[in-house]
Amino acid sequence: KAGVTQTPRYLIKTRGQQVTLSCSPISGHRSVSWYQQTPGQGLQFLFEYFSETQRNKGNFPGRFSGRQFSNSRSEMNVSTLELGDSALYLCASTEMRAGGTEAFFGQGTRLTVV
Amino acid sequence: SQQGEEDPQALSIQEGENATMNCSYKTSINNLQWYRQNSGRGLVHLILIRSNEREKHSGRLRVTLDTSKKSSSLLITASRAADTASYFCATDEGAQKLVFGQGTRLTINP
Repeated sequence: KAGVTQTPRYLIKTRGQQVTLSCSPISGHRSVSWYQQTPGQGLQFLFEYFSETQRNKGNFPGRFSGRQFSNSRSEMNVSTLELGDSALYLCASTEMRAGGTEAFFGQGTRLTVV
Repeated sequence: SQQGEEDPQALSIQEGENATMNCSYKTSINNLQWYRQNSGRGLVHLILIRSNEREKHSGRLRVTLDTSKKSSSLLITASRAADTASYFCATDEGAQKLVFGQGTRLTINP
């Protein structure tokens, strides 16, 4: 089955603008998580959605938001972009199994804020 | 915040040698997963080991888990140039999120 699809792959935005990233999970997976990866902070959890509800949120400012649609596709939005928001944003399609959550990631969206 | 710590941060070996990476974590977990990342691209899921398992194999990969020491190791046998990548461990603490280590950058020299 198809993997996790993230669009766009690359994005360049100007400070103060906003951006929307999209993620389509693996067919049948109802949970989507978002992570930010930077050289300084590593991989940081942003939020997780299940059946259109946010179940968990990481320690990020309110400028970072997300949503999930009825077909499990998810979007994340960052408003009032700052230079420090430049990062690789990774979406994970997750599945609950015996023994916990298993996560499969997309290729990521590389966001550059100038 | 990063729960896991990976050791070493960087590893350079000759093709054909074995590579071992270690991961330590701080809290109780449901499982631990290892991922590979090539040059800032997406994370490729390698293997998942549950908290009640001690060892798991997948092809040239061998993962061990010691919950009493809160540590895991990833062994790649007979390394190839294509194994050059960053490797991350991630723990499932049960809060619908994974907590990642800082990663080990592995370089395989021909």
